[in-house]
Amino acid sequence: EVQLLESGGDLMQPGGSLRLSCAASGFTSSRNAITWVRQAPGKGLEWVSTIYSGYSGDAQYADSVKGRFTVSRDISKNTVHLQMNSLRAEDTAVYYCARTIVRYYGDYWGQGTLVTVDS
Amino acid sequence: DIQMTQSPSSVSASVGDRVTITCRASQDISNWLAWYQQKPGKAPKLLIYSVFSLQTGVPSRFSGSGSGTDFTLTINSLQPEDFATYYCQQTNNFPHTFGQGTKLEI
Repeated sequence: EVQLLESGGDLMQPGGSLRLSCAASGFTSSRNAITWVRQAPGKGLEWVSTIYSGYSGDAQYADSVKGRFTVSRDISKNTVHLQMNSLRAEDTAVYYCARTIVRYYGDYWGQGTLVTVDS
Repeated sequence: DIQMTQSPSSVSASVGDRVTITCRASQDISNWLAWYQQKPGKAPKLLIYSVFSLQTGVPSRFSGSGSGTDFTLTINSLQPEDFATYYCQQTNNFPHTFGQGTKLEI
């Protein structure tokens, strides 16, 4: 059974760093692009980043996080990480990871992990 | 960036009704469009991808149509479990933008 489990969400101060993890099971995550999507409280969905399938580590980022967030794979642990630096209040959201198929459509999603940035 | 505009922002309907939600892209996105359903406190669920293709396990009362810049999600014979928020997303170009959502209420 395909499953994704996010972890690492926490209450952080502005300017801090946090690493989210997305542990995959039931499939080999390197064979799929993995996308991160966030949802601020009471708001809609916002695409954050997509790491391509394979081992290159190449990824795309939303302008709002470019230069601050980095996505990477730990192949040995079948896990994708989202390193979040220089956190801002506007990064407060539930962060979801999703396996993607075809052309980056999220077919399986994790349950989400809450990141709160507040002084 | 490609802007995705959904309409309406909210719609009220009854069990058994047919509902149509539209999504307009600010530029041609070919057929690279998906529709997601989200219920409160839950992750989004993929309903339809590449405009027309029904995701495995999704009831056939859901259907998608359109091309280029204008797309629709149609739900026939609404069921109680269909009351949720629906999002379109384009994957033609990065960033893969979502529409603002349409809340389907009883």
